[in-house]
Amino acid sequence: NAGVTQTPKFRILKIGQSMTLQCTQDMNHNYMYWYRQDPGMGLKLIYYSVGAGITDKGEVPNGYNVSRSTTEDFPLRLELAAPSQTSVYFCASSYSRPYEQYFGPGTRLTVT
Amino acid sequence: GIQVEQSPPDLILQEGANSTLRCNFSDSVNNLQWFHQNPWGQLINLFYIPSGTKQNGRLSATTVATERYSLLYISSSQTTDSGVYFCAVGFMNNNAGNMLTFGGGTRLMVKP
Repeated sequence: NAGVTQTPKFRILKIGQSMTLQCTQDMNHNYMYWYRQDPGMGLKLIYYSVGAGITDKGEVPNGYNVSRSTTEDFPLRLELAAPSQTSVYFCASSYSRPYEQYFGPGTRLTVT
Repeated sequence: GIQVEQSPPDLILQEGANSTLRCNFSDSVNNLQWFHQNPWGQLINLFYIPSGTKQNGRLSATTVATERYSLLYISSSQTTDSGVYFCAVGFMNNNAGNMLTFGGGTRLMVKP
């Protein structure tokens, strides 16, 4: 049982490039989340999904897109990368009840 | 949205000392989690504690939901306890996922 896995671990992008951050969970959780953590701060929610085919915006969705075609996978797409998107990105998952969220190891992204 | 405040923001302890970290939140919640972010950036689930008291080894936590606060106790601290401790709260409803709002964290350094 690997839990929540994320790839890549590190990535450097040039301004204007695009990329997809991958997230997979093997716990059969129906809820999945994407957060970002800026230096010295707590995490902020970007997008979440309550099941395959259903996604919604969180607190800081601008510049990102998501899709959820399967229960296991929840990729995060960055279009036209900007320096403000330099951050550590965490994926998480949970059951609908209990609500405890489990986090992946994170992807450290730098946009220069 | 829900506001989450953690105190103290920074804490330096001598190995073997005890400490109490506090988390205040501004509204009703049905999810509260404590995390330890280690120096490598990994988020480790400590407690899922929307109410009541739990203990796990040298750590324990208490949430008084009616008074909107939670406490994390660390006893006999060790150098491996160093890192950032986050409190995160959420309110689950039928239309939205369980979105966690994170506090700013308590940065703990345990000296040998």
